[in-house]
Amino acid sequence: QVRLQESGPGLVKPSETLSLTCTVSGASFSSFYWTWIRQPAGKGLEWIGRIYTSGTTNYNPSLKSRVTMSVDTSKNQFSLKLSSVTAADTAVYYCARGEAIDFWGQGTLVTVSS
Amino acid sequence: DIQMTQSPSSLSASVGDRVTITCRASQGIRNDLGWYQQKPGKAPKRLIYAASSLQSGVPSRFSGSGSGTEFTLTISSLQPEDFATYYCLQHNTYPHTFGQGTKLEIK
Repeated sequence: QVRLQESGPGLVKPSETLSLTCTVSGASFSSFYWTWIRQPAGKGLEWIGRIYTSGTTNYNPSLKSRVTMSVDTSKNQFSLKLSSVTAADTAVYYCARGEAIDFWGQGTLVTVSS
Repeated sequence: DIQMTQSPSSLSASVGDRVTITCRASQGIRNDLGWYQQKPGKAPKRLIYAASSLQSGVPSRFSGSGSGTEFTLTISSLQPEDFATYYCLQHNTYPHTFGQGTKLEIK
């Protein structure tokens, strides 16, 4: 069974960079797209972007200027960096597999506050 | 961006009822659509992929249909564990976009 686990700081200061890593286990890592999604409390889901194991990326234009994704195939990990965060970036962040997303991580709450 | 208009945004129903949720895409997306169920405090779970294919392990009371711009998720006979929020996701065109969600509540 595929398992995805997000990790990273739960609290980030305004104007700083949010950094999260997703570790994948239980299945092949190569030849898949890997996706980040977020969900503010009580609100809907927002697609942040995705990365292929080759490193090719697609980002949501609404966040594109602040988002960087990377992949480390040797560790079965992919990462998200979101710069210049504000309170509006406070959300549960999910990592997930595929474009037709089939497996999700449990999610991690990131709060932006001083 | 492709807008996914999901309706209704909320729905009250009883155990045993038949329920239909709709997603309309602002432009054609072939059958590049999935349906997800989310319970409070949990990650979404895929129910349907490719618009009408049932995810392994998902009860057969869930079904999906549609292609192009209009899609439906049907629950044929609601069970207590089905009360949750449902989302559609189009993955045809970047950025991929979700519907705004349908909260299914017990009447």
